[in-house]
Amino acid sequence: AQSVAQPEDQVNVAEGNPLTVKCTYSVSGNPYLFWYVQYPNRGLQFLLKYITGDNLVKGSYGFEAEFNKSQTSFHLKKPSALVSDSALYFCAVRKGTSGTYKYIFGTGTRLKVLA
Amino acid sequence: DADVTQTPRNRITKTGKRIMLECSQTKGHDRMYWYRQDPGLGLRLIYYSFDVKDINKGEISDGYSVSRQAQAKFSLSLESAIPNQTALYFCATSDWGSTGTYNEQFFGPGTRLTVL
Repeated sequence: AQSVAQPEDQVNVAEGNPLTVKCTYSVSGNPYLFWYVQYPNRGLQFLLKYITGDNLVKGSYGFEAEFNKSQTSFHLKKPSALVSDSALYFCAVRKGTSGTYKYIFGTGTRLKVLA
Repeated sequence: DADVTQTPRNRITKTGKRIMLECSQTKGHDRMYWYRQDPGLGLRLIYYSFDVKDINKGEISDGYSVSRQAQAKFSLSLESAIPNQTALYFCATSDWGSTGTYNEQFFGPGTRLTVL
């Protein structure tokens, strides 16, 4: 079974509008969740993570994500999109027990912010 | 200077050739990973290593091998390259936090490999 799903291949949003990039997960126990961004010809960069605590997590570049245990979701959000936010976004989850864990990535969502 | 470096950045090779991709890190992390990225498939784990003596297969290890030469170096080899190994390859590192929490990964810039 897929551990993390990103249901949208691409999200288009107008500059200045709020954006949401969706992610749902399926792991046993308490999930450790991550968002990364990939700009063209670059490696992935960490944006934010949820380990425990407050369900609203704030990260880099004005992004935030909301952990929802009942819906098993961890959607990435930003109140006002910028053209420079256009990139490929990956959700990831830590899977496995202590000492044997690994990270599983979603298939990615391409965000396009239109001027 | 970059914390995680990969060499080469681009490589074109022919079917059947042996090729090695190298990864070095200056972050002092114990854990290192190799992924490949294909359009529409996201990142898939090839191999990962928790320390020099601990190497584990990921979800797509067939056709690949790795070597952890030191804490800072983790190499990926394709013994006999085939065209469907054409992809973008990433090395990553992570730390085991002092509180036992699992921290985020740090990625290298990637190696674009083309197998003709």
